[in-house]
Amino acid sequence: EAQVTQNPRYLITVTGKKLTVTCSQNMNHEYMSWYRQDPGLGLRQIYYSMNVEVTDKGDVPEGYKVSRKEKRNFPLILESPSPNQTSLYFCASSIVPGSGIYEQYFGPGTRLTVT
Amino acid sequence: AQSVTQPDIHITVSEGASLELRCNYSYGATPYLFWYVQSPGQGLQLLLKYFSGDTLVQGIKGFEAEFKRSQSSFNLRKPSVHWSDAAEYFCAVGTSGTYKYIFGTGTRLKVLA
Repeated sequence: EAQVTQNPRYLITVTGKKLTVTCSQNMNHEYMSWYRQDPGLGLRQIYYSMNVEVTDKGDVPEGYKVSRKEKRNFPLILESPSPNQTSLYFCASSIVPGSGIYEQYFGPGTRLTVT
Repeated sequence: AQSVTQPDIHITVSEGASLELRCNYSYGATPYLFWYVQSPGQGLQLLLKYFSGDTLVQGIKGFEAEFKRSQSSFNLRKPSVHWSDAAEYFCAVGTSGTYKYIFGTGTRLKVLA
């Protein structure tokens, strides 16, 4: 089954304790992206990656890191989480055609609480 | 800067009634437009998309949307709403130059039996 998986689905942590949220897709997609969803703000893009070793900032990258060492994986790293990073996080992937932009496939989400 | 506006935060309709959710975008070039639906506790699912061609596009679950360049709009419609359509709906623009996606703030739909 074609899918995007995220782990963990739920995480409660304390301020300053480094954490990683994993994302993996089995569709051989070049493009992967991370979003955070907050009430009243919709989804905001954190980072995206066009392919292995190619990443770029979205609209809200502060406090986050990513890496793309393999095509299928795109982990999100919070090196020193703070309470304002409490949010619902989604990973997504997409093909990259020769030109243009295609729809994304979303993971189930990771609900992160930082106390 | 690119932006997407969904002016209605909440909409309530009766089951069987028609539905229109509004979406306006700001983008200098030809936009790539999407509507996604998020059911409670779920991820996002694509309803439909517009890249080019016919400005009226059909999607899943009986939804359609019309691209109007002159109004910078991409409104979502459904002729008869079902109780299972209760969810949050997001309009999004894809920017081909930077490969970034911009989402609206969402419209939460409530369906009355």
